[in-house]
Amino acid sequence: DVKVTQSSRYLVKRTGEKVFLECVQDMDHENMFWYRQDPGLGLRLIYFSYDVKMKEKGDIPEGYSVSREKKERFSLILESASTNQTSMYLCASSFPGRVYSNQPQHFGDGTRLSIL
Amino acid sequence: GIQVEQSPPDLILQEGANSTLRCNFSDSVNNLQWFHQNPWGQLINLFYIPSGTKQNGRLSATTVATERYSLLYISSSQTTDSGVYFCAGGSGGGADGLTFGKGTHLIIQP
Repeated sequence: DVKVTQSSRYLVKRTGEKVFLECVQDMDHENMFWYRQDPGLGLRLIYFSYDVKMKEKGDIPEGYSVSREKKERFSLILESASTNQTSMYLCASSFPGRVYSNQPQHFGDGTRLSIL
Repeated sequence: GIQVEQSPPDLILQEGANSTLRCNFSDSVNNLQWFHQNPWGQLINLFYIPSGTKQNGRLSATTVATERYSLLYISSSQTTDSGVYFCAGGSGGGADGLTFGKGTHLIIQP
């Protein structure tokens, strides 16, 4: 079974702090993704990565950066946390698809982040 | 990007009832998944179904790719089926994020 592990289930940080959210997958997946989920807005893609050291912006990358130094680990970084980044963050991974096709994504349990 | 519309937004049923959830896409997708989010926030994979029909126990799903919609059927509902059901699609190749619908909030009453 695919296992996507997020380092924290709940996290409380202060405005202005630098925050790291960590995600590890054990299936040797090339693709990894970060989403955030907000009431009424659903899940939205922040960043994704299709290989080590590669990253692509998603729909809402502002205020975030990512790091992928190893294939199994994908980190989401809030450079200077703000209250509007309080949210549920979900990490996902998948095998690469072919042209015109994709592979299913598998999600971690999520991190509920509160910025005070 | 693609738009994903789910209906109904809310559904309240008695235990034992059957239900059909629908997902419409604004454009063709080559990755379509259904998820169940439980009360603890965990997103559980139900189906990967870019086309065709699949069944898993009391749940089944059908995607008609040419008409850009997908249906999730839940039969003989149980209280543990409660939660939010999301469909999500992707239209790129190789690596592409999913676009999620707003979800259907299902409540199964005993």
